[in-house]
Amino acid sequence: GDSVTQMEGPVTLSEEAFLTINCTYTATGYPSLFWYVQYPGEGLQLLLKATKADDKGSNKGFEATYRKETTSFHLEKGSVQVSDSAVYFCALSDQETTDSWGKLQFGAGTQVVVTP
Amino acid sequence: KAGVTQTPRYLIKTRGQQVTLSCSPISGHRSVSWYQQTPGQGLQFLFEYFSETQRNKGNFPGRFSGRQFSNSRSEMNVSTLELGDSALYLCASSLVSRSSPLHFGNGTRLTVT
Repeated sequence: GDSVTQMEGPVTLSEEAFLTINCTYTATGYPSLFWYVQYPGEGLQLLLKATKADDKGSNKGFEATYRKETTSFHLEKGSVQVSDSAVYFCALSDQETTDSWGKLQFGAGTQVVVTP
Repeated sequence: KAGVTQTPRYLIKTRGQQVTLSCSPISGHRSVSWYQQTPGQGLQFLFEYFSETQRNKGNFPGRFSGRQFSNSRSEMNVSTLELGDSALYLCASSLVSRSSPLHFGNGTRLTVT
């Protein structure tokens, strides 16, 4: 079945450092890929998405490129802020295989801690 | 536009009881899904509803059930609660089009004692 693997945390960085969170996936079809972020006490917020190979999703300084050849969707940000401290989830949606709009396969999540 | 609203935010129940959680999706979103989030298992898909019909179900026992109303609002029910049901339950809604992202509520934190 489909699966998502992302690097374990916590990842601790200083403000203005470069952030990379690795995410790889396995899927039988042609999935859409997402990054979600969860702040303490809240639900998940969509950060960015990509729907086909070589698409680049970007939002709030974060970027991720859908790499079909390496089955990866790594999240990057050039200069993190304390406010970026959160848990980040990589996810895939394989609608053609699952016939579902609401069923996502999530990675385990990576906690990011940014210190001043 | 109002986001996904889940009520209540917090619940404390005892083993053996049952509980009902409520979710109001974003206006215009007709697909509603439920997820369980725990530190050990992460985010796990419970079920998905569209047009008052369950479209997909995750690997959970029959004690977990749900329904959707004609206005797309959804409820999930857990009967005969067990300690292991303590979790954050997240509801998400989406448009019914390919690659539409899920929009999540802030969840209901259920504690079973």
